[in-house]
Amino acid sequence: QMQLVQSGAEVKKPGSSVQISCKASGDSFTHRYLHWMRLAPGQPLEWMAWVTPFNVNTKYAQKFEDRLSFTRDMSMSTVYMDLSSLRSDDTATYYCATASEGGFQFDAFDMWGQGTMVIVSS
Amino acid sequence: DIQMTQSPSTLSASVGDSVTVTCRASQNVGNWLAWYQQKPGEAPKLLIYKASSLQGGVPSRFSGSGSGTEFTLTISSLQPDDFATYFCHQYKTYSTFGQGTKVEIK
Repeated sequence: QMQLVQSGAEVKKPGSSVQISCKASGDSFTHRYLHWMRLAPGQPLEWMAWVTPFNVNTKYAQKFEDRLSFTRDMSMSTVYMDLSSLRSDDTATYYCATASEGGFQFDAFDMWGQGTMVIVSS
Repeated sequence: DIQMTQSPSTLSASVGDSVTVTCRASQNVGNWLAWYQQKPGEAPKLLIYKASSLQGGVPSRFSGSGSGTEFTLTISSLQPDDFATYFCHQYKTYSTFGQGTKVEIK
């Protein structure tokens, strides 16, 4: 069964960028939709984007279109999310997640990474 | 954007109680609604998908109902492991999530 493993916590300065990785093990996520979400203190979970590792096709939530990008290393089954121009309100735990069955762009997520905490502070 | 309004925000209950969490969508989402459980420091765990389908491995004391704009998650006979935060998720149009309901020990 596939597992998603994310990179470790980050502390960043305002205006800088952060890169978070999401590595699949146990199964391939090449043709799945890999979603990214974040949970900020006192806020509901917020969907940010999905990316298809096969061809790095993407769909973004409008508010992240200008600051979010993805790359992938298929040899290592890893997708990288880059968020630029960080602000204090980007402080959150970031998650990658996917649906293990089905090919829908949007679906219930039964597989989650463990989360990556990002703190943006001067 | 479809907004998801969840209530209550906090629920105090005892082991053995039956509890219900409600989620209301600002637009019709059909049955494209999921429920998750999350504990501190852990990733969310899928409990219910398509409004009422129980995810494999999830105890049958969890159940979901509703369609369109009104949905409920019921936990019958609350167990010690069930004290956690629960949130809903519509995936008909993009993805949006409820604010969460914290189920705490009375």
